[in-house]
Amino acid sequence: SAVISQKPSRDICQRGTSLTIQCQVDSQVTMMFWYRQQPGQSLTLIATANQGSEATYESGFVIDKFPISRPNLTFSTLTVSNMSPEDSSIYLCSAEALGQGAYEQYFGPGTRLTVT
Amino acid sequence: AQTVTQSQPEMSVQEAETVTLSCTYDTSENNYYLFWYKQPPSRQMILVIRQEAYKQQNATENRFSVNFQKAAKSFSLKISDSQLGDTAMYFCALTTRFGNEKLTFGTGTRLTIIP
Repeated sequence: SAVISQKPSRDICQRGTSLTIQCQVDSQVTMMFWYRQQPGQSLTLIATANQGSEATYESGFVIDKFPISRPNLTFSTLTVSNMSPEDSSIYLCSAEALGQGAYEQYFGPGTRLTVT
Repeated sequence: AQTVTQSQPEMSVQEAETVTLSCTYDTSENNYYLFWYKQPPSRQMILVIRQEAYKQQNATENRFSVNFQKAAKSFSLKISDSQLGDTAMYFCALTTRFGNEKLTFGTGTRLTIIP
């Protein structure tokens, strides 16, 4: 299994600024994922981050807007750049780790971002 | 591409009763994995139950069980003896391969357990 923490848990930011969200896993994992979730809505995958290679972005998300770092097997960051109110959302980090006999995806508690 | 559909946006049930949440999916793969995740108001997403498509036996986990109908591409979650702590958003999800593969999520069902 894996325990995932995220920092910050919430933030209020001004438009035009950037915020970096940190995701820490308590064990080494190969794949990490970043999602965006509007309150009460489903999860939308932003990108997949594999250690040692460039992140793979989903349609509608670009590296200039959401740069991701994955410096080692337990840590990743997501930056939300040049923020606008439309970026207000919950950002979730997840990681794939071996659970009970199979790989499972574990999630962090999320970062609630409000852009004013 | 795969899709996951949850047709019940909201459900409510009395405490101690049984409730079934529906999920249908579509994929062209023969081997895949299905999941139910729970997201309480605190928002930490928790894995409830997992089903491998190649297994005919329905997965069970204490009060949680699934009805997996592969031919119909249906994957419902049954919660028995429901408890107040079961109040949460429930998401059905699909992946075509374990290891290095993303999840496709449904839109979720908001379940409320009434005391």
